Amino acid sequence: GAVVSQHPSRVICKSGTSVKIECRSLDFQATTMFWYRQFPKQSLMLMATSNEGSKATYEQGVEKDKFLINHASLTLSTLTVTSAHPEDSSFYICSASSREDQPQHFGDGTRLSIL
Amino acid sequence: AQSVTQLGSHVSVSEGALVLLRCNYSSSVPPYLFWYVQYPNQGLQLLLKYTSAATLVKGINGFEAEFKKSETSFHLTKPSAHMSDAAEYFCAVSVAGGQGNLIFGKGTKLSVKP
Repeated sequence: GAVVSQHPSRVICKSGTSVKIECRSLDFQATTMFWYRQFPKQSLMLMATSNEGSKATYEQGVEKDKFLINHASLTLSTLTVTSAHPEDSSFYICSASSREDQPQHFGDGTRLSIL
Repeated sequence: AQSVTQLGSHVSVSEGALVLLRCNYSSSVPPYLFWYVQYPNQGLQLLLKYTSAATLVKGINGFEAEFKKSETSFHLTKPSAHMSDAAEYFCAVSVAGGQGNLIFGKGTKLSVKP
């Protein structure tokens, strides 16, 4: 089945640093990748949608300069949390889809903790 | 606009008992509906999906869900719960009829008692 690998699974860093999270589709070409944020005991909130080779589309209220998304190839998208602060601590999950009519396949998530 | 409501943030059943997790949706277009399972500190795994074919959808791990348009429901069931079913379950509807841009419900945590 379709596999999406997300790395790192966990990161702890100091306030003010930037953190990059990678999302790779291992056995299919992902024309579209999605980035979600999940707060404790809550549902997933879509942050942005990225299509290969074009700028990401951000959901309302998500700062695009804070959460930089790059989808440079059909198998890799990255989310960079710039100048992270404690309020950015969360569980970030990516998903990938090969076509509009195909379901999303999810990575295992990245737990980000900012001290 | 699409939305999903999951009734009950926490459901507890005994091992071997029926599992019923409720999901109601709202959609201005024929919906695509999904159930996902999430184990602690992991991403989501697709259990099953409804895409306007058969109204009774069978998924993995013995789960199934029935699409009822008249009730705008897509409840998830499993005849006999297993300890390994304990997890968080999310119902989702797809925006604009495709399978991208999912709108998730708030989730239901399923506990299974021995």
